[in-house]
Amino acid sequence: AQSVTQLDSQVPVFEEAPVELRCNYSSSVSVYLFWYVQYPNQGLQLLLKYLSGSTLVKGINGFEAEFNKSQTSFHLRKPSVHISDTAEYFCAVSESGGFQKLVFGTGTRLLVSP
Amino acid sequence: KAGVTQTPRYLIKTRGQQVTLSCSPISGHRSVSWYQQTPGQGLQFLFEYFSETQRNKGNFPGRFSGRQFSNSRSEMNVSTLELGDSALYLCASSLEQNGYTFGSGTRLTVV
Repeated sequence: AQSVTQLDSQVPVFEEAPVELRCNYSSSVSVYLFWYVQYPNQGLQLLLKYLSGSTLVKGINGFEAEFNKSQTSFHLRKPSVHISDTAEYFCAVSESGGFQKLVFGTGTRLLVSP
Repeated sequence: KAGVTQTPRYLIKTRGQQVTLSCSPISGHRSVSWYQQTPGQGLQFLFEYFSETQRNKGNFPGRFSGRQFSNSRSEMNVSTLELGDSALYLCASSLEQNGYTFGSGTRLTVV
């Protein structure tokens, strides 16, 4: 079974500052990793995913994440945040191969202030 | 290209009633999954369907059921509603293992 730990429940940051949202996972098998964003009263939007290959993954809206197998981490970064990035961010893991269920972390609320 | 469509968006039901939620996946997507999101338990997997067959099921009581039709549309049903079933129910569809596209969800309130 897989599990995901998002170490920070809330991250406050000023506009145009860099941000890192942390995600660690646990699994005994190969995994795929995902980051999703959820705006108020909305569903989940896929930011980026790691399936295989390059460990540095670039996503939408200027976000990127790095897969670190030895540290079992998949931290999300953005060099300069905007007010509009204020949202809830979820890290998720699934077993690799086929259509496997997603196991989500508890989420990190990113609060961007001017 | 239309996204994942979930209906209705909001629903209020009374304890003991049953409810059916609908999900229309992206055209061509054959895998449909359902998740429950609550403040206390977070996002939890309910079940996944592929070509009308349930392939995977989460740890929910038998009151939660689903089905998928030949056009890949899916429904989930919850019988004998309890207050704790109040949640945002999210449907996701996938073509391949390229990530799941989620709908906007159905917010169910049980009173």
